[in-house]
Amino acid sequence: DIQLTQSPSFLSASVGDRVTITCRASQDISSYLAWYQRKPGKAPKLLINTASTLQSGVPSRFSGSGSGTEFTLTISSLQPEDFATYYCQQNNNYPRTFGQGTKVEIK
Amino acid sequence: QVQLVESGGGVVQPGRSLRLSCAASGFTFNIHAMHWVRQAPGKGLDWVALISYDGSNKYYTDSVKGRFTISRDNSKNTLYLQMNSLRPEDTAVYYCARDDGSRGLDNWGQGTLVTVSS
Repeated sequence: DIQLTQSPSFLSASVGDRVTITCRASQDISSYLAWYQRKPGKAPKLLINTASTLQSGVPSRFSGSGSGTEFTLTISSLQPEDFATYYCQQNNNYPRTFGQGTKVEIK
Repeated sequence: QVQLVESGGGVVQPGRSLRLSCAASGFTFNIHAMHWVRQAPGKGLDWVALISYDGSNKYYTDSVKGRFTISRDNSKNTLYLQMNSLRPEDTAVYYCARDDGSRGLDNWGQGTLVTVSS
């Protein structure tokens, strides 16, 4: 099974900060990586697909990059509504796996 | 708009069974693969299973193989998860989600809580 390791697991930041989350895969997954945002009491929301394609309606302050085994999610200027937990997930093969999550909290 | 509504959760004793349902609307159900994903209390997202658009292919995470069965009824626009031999570690909120191919899981339900406890 492909393991996904996110870092950091926890991040404390202020509104306006630039935030970067890393996701490392245990083997090459090409660009088949997605990023999700999860807020308490709400269903996960797909933000970015195939490593760098923004889903429709997602603000442009979110961006994704990477391929192979290393990927990043960047929020260029953190907004109050961005405080949430973020997960990466691979769609290269089965079983589909998620990273352990990165919780972004207000400093 | 796409709507996915899970049902069937509840409290069940270890070793017993439960069947979850996911009613889909707002899209052409029979052309999309579908997933079940769960989240245990205080834990992260855990992918459980996928079924292809026509039900011919099914995939499971190792921890549920042989105990859980994913199925679908395209005439009823409904996805199912039959869970047998339930264990306390299966306690979680279970979500159904629509597959968008290699792009990911693009629509999710609100989840149904399964609690396995004696």
